[in-house]
Amino acid sequence: NAGVTQTPKFQVLKTGQSMTLQCAQDMNHEYMSWYRQDPGMGLRLIHYSVGAGITDQGEVPNGYNVSRSTTEDFPLRLLSAAPSQTSVYFCASSPSGTGAYEQYFGPGTRLTVT
Amino acid sequence: RKEVEQDPGPFNVPEGATVAFNCTYSNSASQSFFWYRQDCRKEPKLLMSVYSSGNEDGRFTAQLNRASQYISLLIRDSKLSDSATYLCVVNPNSGGYQKVTFGTGTKLQVIP
Repeated sequence: NAGVTQTPKFQVLKTGQSMTLQCAQDMNHEYMSWYRQDPGMGLRLIHYSVGAGITDQGEVPNGYNVSRSTTEDFPLRLLSAAPSQTSVYFCASSPSGTGAYEQYFGPGTRLTVT
Repeated sequence: RKEVEQDPGPFNVPEGATVAFNCTYSNSASQSFFWYRQDCRKEPKLLMSVYSSGNEDGRFTAQLNRASQYISLLIRDSKLSDSATYLCVVNPNSGGYQKVTFGTGTKLQVIP
């Protein structure tokens, strides 16, 4: 199993450009999430999904869109990139059900917006 | 007060030393707790869950103090390979989707 994969690994955008960060998992997990990690801030939840066709906002959703058409894929779209979106983006997946479960993270995408 | 607070460090300790990190949380209703490890420029990975009774995994011991609202991680006989950032994670839910809160991490550097 590949686990959680993310593409691209690195990206430089100009202000105002749009792009999609890709995330896929092959563990048949229901739950998927997008986080951003900034120095001194910890990981912050952008959007999440509890299953195909179901998404919701996290702590910092502005400027980002998501969709979940399949269990495997959960792309994150930046609508109009801003320098404040310079960050490391992690996608994560976890199984559903009762109890607390481990989150499995992808390797991250390092995004710079100039 | 932040939801989850950690001392950012860095903690610089010699090989073989014992080191402990604490993490405080503000939501007294929090249900479950974890320690994740994050190597430089890598993704976080689960190190261990923290149970009410405490738990141990080799050189690592995690404990929960609900009365004082903190969790701790103890590393015995530190190895160079333990150098990483340790993230405290708090889950307010007992089930369903878990909007967990991550601490900012404590950096550990084990020196030869």
